[in-house]
Amino acid sequence: GAGVSQSPRYKVAKRGQDVALRCDPISGHVSLFWYQQALGQGPEFLTYFQNEAQLDKSGLPSDRFFAERPEGSVSTLKIQRTQQEDSAVYLCAIKPGPGATNEKLFFGSGTQLSVL
Amino acid sequence: AQRVTQPEKLLSVFKGAPVELKCNYSYSGSPELFWYVQYSRQRLQLLLRHISRESIKGFTADLNKGETSFHLKKPFAQEEDSAMYYCALSGVAGTASKLTFGTGTRLQVML
Repeated sequence: GAGVSQSPRYKVAKRGQDVALRCDPISGHVSLFWYQQALGQGPEFLTYFQNEAQLDKSGLPSDRFFAERPEGSVSTLKIQRTQQEDSAVYLCAIKPGPGATNEKLFFGSGTQLSVL
Repeated sequence: AQRVTQPEKLLSVFKGAPVELKCNYSYSGSPELFWYVQYSRQRLQLLLRHISRESIKGFTADLNKGETSFHLKKPFAQEEDSAMYYCALSGVAGTASKLTFGTGTRLQVML
């Protein structure tokens, strides 16, 4: 069935440190999305993959943010030189089917990043 | 630009009372609207979508293009309905996901 695992669950980083957040779909899924949810806000789109191809990265807030999915399965969101404003919950979501519609996106539990 | 507005951060109702969570949107084309819900200590999950015209857990939502609204309603609130509710919009139906979420409304059902 559909499912997605994210790790770590919590991450505390010192300002300026690089971090890597992992998203692991439990079974193969074509479409994978990253969202950022700041405290008190709704999730905001960051980027989208179809298999290993990153088709949309318009939501990445700066060039410090980089996402990859080299084999079309596990995805990593990397943030370089973290800043306090990067503190948020980072959500990974997958769509369990072909195409890339919004139907029944399955979200992971998220990684809560705190930058001190 | 597409935008979703949820004017209430918190809505408190008594058990058995009607519920209406407001959602207004701004989009120049034909939108696809959704309600997502996050129960305590659980993941964000899809509650319903306007194209399905379905009722999930007693909740319904009707897309009103004239008022650009997609309010979520339930006639009788239950304790288990307490959760965070997010309205979301996708600008182009059937193509790449780029959901725009509102800021969310916390529904608190009191006994």
